[in-house]
Amino acid sequence: DTEVTQTPKHLVMGMTNKKSLKCEQHMGHRAMYWYKQKAKKPPELMFVYSYEKLSINESVPSRFSPECPNSSLLNLHLHALQPEDSALYLCASSQDSGTRGTQYFGPGTRLLVL
Amino acid sequence: AQTVTQSQPEMSVQEAETVTLSCTYDTSENNYYLFWYKQPPSRQMILVIRQEAYKQQNATENRFSVNFQKAAKSFSLKISDSQLGDTAMYFCAFMKHDAGNNRKLIWGLGTSLAVNP
Repeated sequence: DTEVTQTPKHLVMGMTNKKSLKCEQHMGHRAMYWYKQKAKKPPELMFVYSYEKLSINESVPSRFSPECPNSSLLNLHLHALQPEDSALYLCASSQDSGTRGTQYFGPGTRLLVL
Repeated sequence: AQTVTQSQPEMSVQEAETVTLSCTYDTSENNYYLFWYKQPPSRQMILVIRQEAYKQQNATENRFSVNFQKAAKSFSLKISDSQLGDTAMYFCAFMKHDAGNNRKLIWGLGTSLAVNP
């Protein structure tokens, strides 16, 4: 079972809105990731939660904030986004490092910021 | 720093034929992992195949196989009996073995593959 689920599938928001993206996995994985992907580009890593520790890509603006309520859930809170933040947001999870560090991805949330 | 290069931005193949996508990488590490991911128009990122650098045997998954040349730092993907559902963007990616909390995948820019009927 390599299922990672993400909600919502699509999201349209204004620049003053606050919204959240949700990601869930039931594979017992201990690491979860948020990526941002623009069309026809590879994903860019935003955040890693591993064994309840957060690692941040320092280039990610503070209008994105991750939250990990438990080891199965990972949220991404969005506030005061800009139109250039419109992208596909992918969540992934992995068991550990080494071979078990293989990342499995959810279907993504397509975000449009107006 | 590690880099991954996919030199073919776009490729096409006829249904039922075989196609090979190229990937080269640069690293000073001895132990690492290489991956091919597929992203069809739905944009779901799907793991196609994985190779551990310490294994000499090339990985295979049904119609998908790799040609892993460690000394040449080459990791090509062969798709046999191509099907219309193989139409997708294919990304090659690298990950260090002892990644620890630094589980960063280093991605190539991708190859857009079209399978024609």
